[in-house]
Amino acid sequence: NAGVTQTPKFQVLKTGQSMTLQCAQDMNHNSMYWYRQDPGMGLRLIYYSASEGTTDKGEVPNGYNVSRLNKREFSLRLESAAPSQTSVYFCASNGDPRRDYGYTFGSGTRLTVV
Amino acid sequence: AQKITQTQPGMFVQEKEAVTLDCTYDTSDPSYGLFWYKQPSSGEMIFLIYQGSYDQQNATEGRYSLNFQKARKSANLVISASQLGDSAMYFCAMREGVRTDSWGKLQFGAGTQVVVTP
Repeated sequence: NAGVTQTPKFQVLKTGQSMTLQCAQDMNHNSMYWYRQDPGMGLRLIYYSASEGTTDKGEVPNGYNVSRLNKREFSLRLESAAPSQTSVYFCASNGDPRRDYGYTFGSGTRLTVV
Repeated sequence: AQKITQTQPGMFVQEKEAVTLDCTYDTSDPSYGLFWYKQPSSGEMIFLIYQGSYDQQNATEGRYSLNFQKARKSANLVISASQLGDSAMYFCAMREGVRTDSWGKLQFGAGTQVVVTP
């Protein structure tokens, strides 16, 4: 099925551990995004990639790094996880914001840091 | 500064009634888009409706309509004939234009939890 695939769906980490959240889309979209969702705060942008080879910080980038491996894949890395990073993480993609107002979201990764 | 404000944390609505979810936004850019998403308890984000700032008519998609009042910077979602399956969190979001730093990025409100009762 066409869309955005995120792995894993659930993860529990200990404080200080590292991990990478994977995201892949098969719609040939140029732009990809990582959001986090916390209760009462909506979704906040962590990082985004307007095209292959470019990445930029969003609203809440501290503690995260990203890699746009190719046009399909955009990964989010937590180098040293903290309890404050407990959240639901969503990856999204978009073709061309000038023409395409549709954003496709993955199903999310629920991360708990203990 | 918060660019999208949803003032209703939660609301109950009876089945078959209409419900209006409030959304106000803040931008000085003349070119922007407004979105509504539904998030059921399963967690996925479902796109509902889009309104461009230059669109002359209010957007409609089935039972969803967007009451766009540009001068008031308001983009309320109206769900007609509510169904039990409409119980979910609803998010308003905005994308500003190409001349802004936030071009291409969706900015979300805090959401409104809707519970539809029989």
